[in-house]
Amino acid sequence: DTEVTQTPKHLVMGMTNKKSLKCEQHMGHRAMYWYKQKAKKPPELMFVYSYEKLSINESVPSRFSPECPNSSLLNLHLHALQPEDSALYLCASSQDRVSLETQYFGPGTRLLVL
Amino acid sequence: AQSVTQLDSQVPVFEEAPVELRCNYSSSVSVYLFWYVQYPNQGLQLLLKYLSGSTLVKGINGFEAEFNKSQTSFHLRKPSVHISDTAEYFCAVSDRTNAGKSTFGDGTTLTVKP
Repeated sequence: DTEVTQTPKHLVMGMTNKKSLKCEQHMGHRAMYWYKQKAKKPPELMFVYSYEKLSINESVPSRFSPECPNSSLLNLHLHALQPEDSALYLCASSQDRVSLETQYFGPGTRLLVL
Repeated sequence: AQSVTQLDSQVPVFEEAPVELRCNYSSSVSVYLFWYVQYPNQGLQLLLKYLSGSTLVKGINGFEAEFNKSQTSFHLRKPSVHISDTAEYFCAVSDRTNAGKSTFGDGTTLTVKP
């Protein structure tokens, strides 16, 4: 099974809402990633978890809060977002962060902030 | 720090014609190089990667790329494209000391016409 799943597929939220994005993999990977992708742009790295510990935070605003409850799950908690945060949020995983094994991407959650 | 330039934002081509998508990079250290494909409304899929060794790298779906260190290029080629190759293609670079963090180019939209 080489699949990364993400839920929900689509999400519409207001600026005062709290919501969460979920990512799951069962490949035994120990590195997991969140990316943000605006339309017609490349993905931008947000966070990297390695062995369930946050190892990279690309100066992401605190209204985005990642969580890695176990080696298979990665969440992204959203609170008080702005309309400019509307984007495709991609999750990825890889065997680990160091060896540059292939990153497997999920299909993404398309987020619209009103 | 490194950067990636994809020289063509859009490449239209007829079915069964050959195609080359161009990628140049700059970095002060040794790098790993990647090509990803993104089909509409999907996540990224790795086409191929160059880590070391032979400069000609073969990937999935009949694609190949050649690493040219002197020209700092990593161009993607396919001898005969199909309609199903229509997608966005991203070149990415990662330095060998911070392998979990890739820099992506702005992408090339490949449109294959019948």
